[in-house]
Amino acid sequence: GNSVTQMEGPVTLSEEAFLTINCTYTATGYPSLFWYVQYPGEGLQLLLKATKADDKGSNKGFEATYRKETTSFHLEKGSVQVSDSAVYFCALKGDAGGTSYGKLTFGQGTILTVHP
Amino acid sequence: GAGVSQSPSNKVTEKGKDVELRCDPISGHTALYWYRQSLGQGLEFLIYFQGNSAPDKSGLPSDRFSAERTGGSVSTLTIQRTQQEDSAVYLCASSQGGSSSYEQYFGPGTRLTVT
Repeated sequence: GNSVTQMEGPVTLSEEAFLTINCTYTATGYPSLFWYVQYPGEGLQLLLKATKADDKGSNKGFEATYRKETTSFHLEKGSVQVSDSAVYFCALKGDAGGTSYGKLTFGQGTILTVHP
Repeated sequence: GAGVSQSPSNKVTEKGKDVELRCDPISGHTALYWYRQSLGQGLEFLIYFQGNSAPDKSGLPSDRFSAERTGGSVSTLTIQRTQQEDSAVYLCASSQGGSSSYEQYFGPGTRLTVT
């Protein structure tokens, strides 16, 4: 079945530091890949997505590139802010026709804390 | 417009009791999902409804769990004879369809505590 493996956390950074959260996946076919974010006290929300190989998703200064050759979708940000402190989840959705179509498979989540 | 809403926000129940959790999706969204978020298991898919198709129940952990979606809108997740391992945050999400083109919008969740 499909699976997502995320970099173990928690991650603690100083403001303006560079962020990378690693994510690799196992899936058949051509899944779509997502990063979701959960800010303290808030619900889960989509941060960015990529639906085919070599696509780059980007939002709020975050980027991730869909690398089929390495089955990865690492999240990066060049300069983090205190307000980026949250839990980040990598996820995939199976392609149409597959048994995992529609539903999201999540990684275990990475807690990010950014200090001033 | 209104987002996905869930009720109750918190539920404490005794082991062995039945509970019902409600989800009101965004109006017009044909796809509805239930997920569970727990410390030990992370975020797990439970069940997926898409229009009038038979639901994908492949994520339900046991036959104590069931869900229905009435009139293609509101959904209820029922857990019978609750156990302590059922304690988790139950999340509902909806989208315009099942395709990856459509974002899944999540509700705030129901925190279930089984004592």
